[in-house]
Amino acid sequence: DTGVSQNPRHKITKRGQNVTFRCDPISEHNRLYWYRQTLGQGPEFLTYFQNEAQLEKSRLLSDRFSAERPKGSFSTLEIQRTEQGDSAMYLCASSHRRYEQYFGPGTRLTVT
Amino acid sequence: AQKITQTQPGMFVQEKEAVTLDCTYDTSDQSYGLFWYKQPSSGEMIFLIYQGSYDEQNATEGRYSLNFQKARKSANLVISASQLGDSAMYFCAIWAGWGKLIFGQGTELSVKP
Repeated sequence: DTGVSQNPRHKITKRGQNVTFRCDPISEHNRLYWYRQTLGQGPEFLTYFQNEAQLEKSRLLSDRFSAERPKGSFSTLEIQRTEQGDSAMYLCASSHRRYEQYFGPGTRLTVT
Repeated sequence: AQKITQTQPGMFVQEKEAVTLDCTYDTSDQSYGLFWYKQPSSGEMIFLIYQGSYDEQNATEGRYSLNFQKARKSANLVISASQLGDSAMYFCAIWAGWGKLIFGQGTELSVKP
């Protein structure tokens, strides 16, 4: 059990560029979550996958955001036409039971 | 809608003493779960403890215990025998359907030697 991994750990991009983050959950965890955390705040839910199915999306996930989990294993989160307000820590979590979510180290995005 | 309120932005505690971090919640669900996570400066969220709404006993995990008062809608975290490594942000969260968690704004705990 190597834990949830996320890549890259840090990303600096210019406004208007597209970025993609990857999350590898703990093996055999069928549930995967994305959260966003801005400075001084708790994480905010973005979206949830059970296996490859995206079952819920927050209204925070605008049309510029898309998430996939094509084979029910790793997941990607893409942000198109980044804006300065997208600067945040993007956290991924996985679970195999309803409540105990294990988080990855996060990807810190800075949009300049 | 579910909501978590943490009213202590920052707390100080002397090493080896106990400390209580406050958390109140709001939900209309009969069945729910409450969580505490620790977030050190490295950024990773570390699961500490879970309390189900129907659990009759307060949850305990090592030095962590959850003081669950259902009628008052509070779920305070008690850390006994504080250690320097306990210095971190602490977040209370409630399970809000489909497994998603709703987090509070957090409490920054500083442990003094």
